Amino acid sequence: GDSVTQMEGPVTLSEEAFLTINCTYTATGYPSLFWYVQYPGEGLQLLLKATKADDKGSNKGFEATYRKETTSFHLEKGSVQVSDSAVYFCALRTKTSGSRLTFGEGTQLTVNP
Amino acid sequence: DVKVTQSSRYLVKRTGEKVFLECVQDMDHENMFWYRQDPGLGLRLIYFSYDVKMKEKGDIPEGYSVSREKKERFSLILESASTNQTSMYLCASSALQTEAFFGQGTRLTVV
Repeated sequence: GDSVTQMEGPVTLSEEAFLTINCTYTATGYPSLFWYVQYPGEGLQLLLKATKADDKGSNKGFEATYRKETTSFHLEKGSVQVSDSAVYFCALRTKTSGSRLTFGEGTQLTVNP
Repeated sequence: DVKVTQSSRYLVKRTGEKVFLECVQDMDHENMFWYRQDPGLGLRLIYFSYDVKMKEKGDIPEGYSVSREKKERFSLILESASTNQTSMYLCASSALQTEAFFGQGTRLTVV
């Protein structure tokens, strides 16, 4: 079945550091890929997405590129801020799964001033 | 602004009680979902609904049931709450093959 694997957390960085959160997937066909973010005390919100190979999703300084050859969708940001502290979830959706999303375990990011 | 509203942020219930978690969306979305969020396990799908009165089991339906009598409302029911159902419950909605919008979550504690 479909699955998403994220790097183990938690991740702790200093402000202005470079961020990478790894995400790899297993799916039938060509899935759409997503990063969701959950700020403390809130629900999830969509951060970015990519729907086909080599697409790059970007938002709020975050980027992720859909790599079919490595089945990966790693999240990056060049310079993190304290306000980026949150839990980040990688997710996928396939044509056969309809509107269902499969999520990874989530990665807790803490950015210290 | 799109909105998915869950009726309670925090709930404390006793073992064996029947528990209702309510979710309302104002976007006329066809699809609605109930997820459970536990540390280290991510989000796991309990049930989803793609239309009024239609439902499908997700990955962990045991011990849960759902009701969707109106398009905007999707209820999760714990028939007889147990301590292993202590968790964060997240409701979401989406149109067909589009992004999902989430509510703020209900943190349920079963004692």
